[in-house]
Amino acid sequence: DAKTTQPPSMDCAEGRAANLPCNHSTISGNEYVYWYRQIHSQGPQYIIHGLKNNETNEMASLIITEDRKSSTLILPHATLRDTAVYYCIVRVALYSGGGADGLTFGKGTHLIIQP
Amino acid sequence: DVKVTQSSRYLVKRTGEKVFLECVQDMDHENMFWYRQDPGLGLRLIYFSYDVKMKEKGDIPEGYSVSREKKERFSLILESASTNQTSMYLCGSLTGGGGTDTQYFGPGTRLTVL
Repeated sequence: DAKTTQPPSMDCAEGRAANLPCNHSTISGNEYVYWYRQIHSQGPQYIIHGLKNNETNEMASLIITEDRKSSTLILPHATLRDTAVYYCIVRVALYSGGGADGLTFGKGTHLIIQP
Repeated sequence: DVKVTQSSRYLVKRTGEKVFLECVQDMDHENMFWYRQDPGLGLRLIYFSYDVKMKEKGDIPEGYSVSREKKERFSLILESASTNQTSMYLCGSLTGGGGTDTQYFGPGTRLTVL
């Protein structure tokens, strides 16, 4: 069973905030939420991760609900270069006892930024 | 910056050939991995390596083997390539601490088996 659910595709206007949802209703207490993205013809790239607090870095913000059953990745001012497939992953870190079987990427959300 | 390189961006092989895909990382990471990516199926883990000479099967190891003789290099081997192994192959390394980890990916090798 998939641990996360994401919409298959989304559109966003250039310059607007892109909000990508992810449902992870069966998340365990020691599982982190990770976001990666894959631009066409490139390997996936790490964006951000969080446990239960909201997080922000130079690329994006991550909002995790209080019950941790869902999260939203926010790209504050989307550009055409943000067009990519965005993957939401929930797992225990390898160094915290997570196994390699947790290194699973689903199908992600294809975000298309419209000019 | 972490750099992960793969031996080829595009590769065309014939059915039955032995195929080697190489992955090299320059950050001294202990953990390395291989995925394949197919339309509609996302990324599926083939093999994982925790250290030199250590390996663990992923979700779809059938038809593949791996070799990790040096820390920086992780090779994926198709003993006898078949057309259903036509795919994009992604490798990389993983490091972490403080309860989290981060995966770094190479650019991918698009393999076509005729």
